[in-house]
Amino acid sequence: SQTIHQWPATLVQPVGSPLSLECTVEGTSNPNLYWYRQAAGRGLQLLFYSVGIGQISSEVPQNLSASRPQDRQFILSSKKLLLSDSGFYLCAWLDRGDTGELFFGEGSRLTVL
Amino acid sequence: GENVEQHPSTLSVQEGDSAVIKCTYSDSASNYFPWYKQELGKRPQLIIDIRSNVGEKKDQRIAVTLNKTAKHFSLHITETQPEDSAVYFCAASRSSTSYGKLTFGQGTILTVHP
Repeated sequence: SQTIHQWPATLVQPVGSPLSLECTVEGTSNPNLYWYRQAAGRGLQLLFYSVGIGQISSEVPQNLSASRPQDRQFILSSKKLLLSDSGFYLCAWLDRGDTGELFFGEGSRLTVL
Repeated sequence: GENVEQHPSTLSVQEGDSAVIKCTYSDSASNYFPWYKQELGKRPQLIIDIRSNVGEKKDQRIAVTLNKTAKHFSLHITETQPEDSAVYFCAASRSSTSYGKLTFGQGTILTVHP
């Protein structure tokens, strides 16, 4: 069965520091992968999605970037964090079968101070 | 782009009562409408979804209805239980071209009192 791993689970970073969140998927090949962000008390907002290695689409202008160096690896990065980057970041992969269900990772809670 | 509005933002019910959460969407091309449940500090998980060729779908105590003309859809939970307490999100997408690219509502915090 497919599983999705995301780390780190929590991190506290100072403003201006870099960021790297990693997501890996097991049990599937060539998945569609997504990064969503959930600000406190709000819904989820799609940040990036990828349909294959090296293919990244950005949904909103922001201070973050994404990369997909391997088929089942998706990385979210920033060179210099802003206070507004705080939030709960969720990686997800898509079941391309009939369900179309989106499966989320456990999430990474980022606090920028 | 798509905009999804969700109401109410909080909902408190007694165990055994029904709960209804409503969402409206703006993009008439949207045709896939999932509902996710998120327990405190955990990942969202799909509980039910509906496609535009269907007006209603049921799964045990949960049902979803869709009115494409009015562009709104609703989640109905009957015989609520304390374990139903969570945040519920509705979402919409153009499934034919945008599976996984979901636009979410703001969420509803459901509290079921024993």
